[in-house]
Amino acid sequence: DADVTQTPRNRITKTGKRIMLECSQTKGHDRMYWYRQDPGLGLRLIYYSFDVKDINKGEISDGYSVSRQAQAKFSLSLESAIPNQTALYFCATSLQGKTGYTFGSGTRLTVV
Amino acid sequence: DQQVKQNSPSLSVQEGRISILNCDYTNSMFDYFLWYKKYPAEGPTFLISISSIKDKNEDGRFTVFLNKSAKHLSLHIVPSQPGDSAVYFCAPGQWGGGSNYKLTFGKGTLLTVNP
Repeated sequence: DADVTQTPRNRITKTGKRIMLECSQTKGHDRMYWYRQDPGLGLRLIYYSFDVKDINKGEISDGYSVSRQAQAKFSLSLESAIPNQTALYFCATSLQGKTGYTFGSGTRLTVV
Repeated sequence: DQQVKQNSPSLSVQEGRISILNCDYTNSMFDYFLWYKKYPAEGPTFLISISSIKDKNEDGRFTVFLNKSAKHLSLHIVPSQPGDSAVYFCAPGQWGGGSNYKLTFGKGTLLTVNP
């Protein structure tokens, strides 16, 4: 089983719909992150959480919200999806005091 | 303002030859530098890293060089193999307050190794 699991793997949704992407981890890491990847733009940070009670905006948080339901779960919501939110979304985890991140396999989201 | 630049969006090399991927950064507070590798339909995976107190780190076919004065690092793959074809991300990081560590990712370089 994957250490960092993202659901769904693929999703097509309509403009204006609310959608939630979920991330769960079994690594016991306390830090969790949401990134989006667009062609030519690399990985851009949306939100991050250093523990259950700590939520921080990244560089592109507009149009997104997050919830850290437990240490192992971190969900990303698009309140009203728009086509330019079509992208590949990655969840990542890390451990306090350590430098490396572990990524999930990604969710490909298409907003039509 | 881009703190991490990977100026080559793509690189193509022949199998068996050397691949050199470059990364430039502007933030002098970065103290640890990681490389991640990403295959299509998969998440990025950690490849190799280097601390700012070193100028070279080697792991098998992969070597990372760091030139702090030039704010430049490079990843060398020797010999290159077709299975190395992937997107490579440079990801420097710095310690924030309370032992919080955050990575900043470059835009990535697509390496294609031709048989």
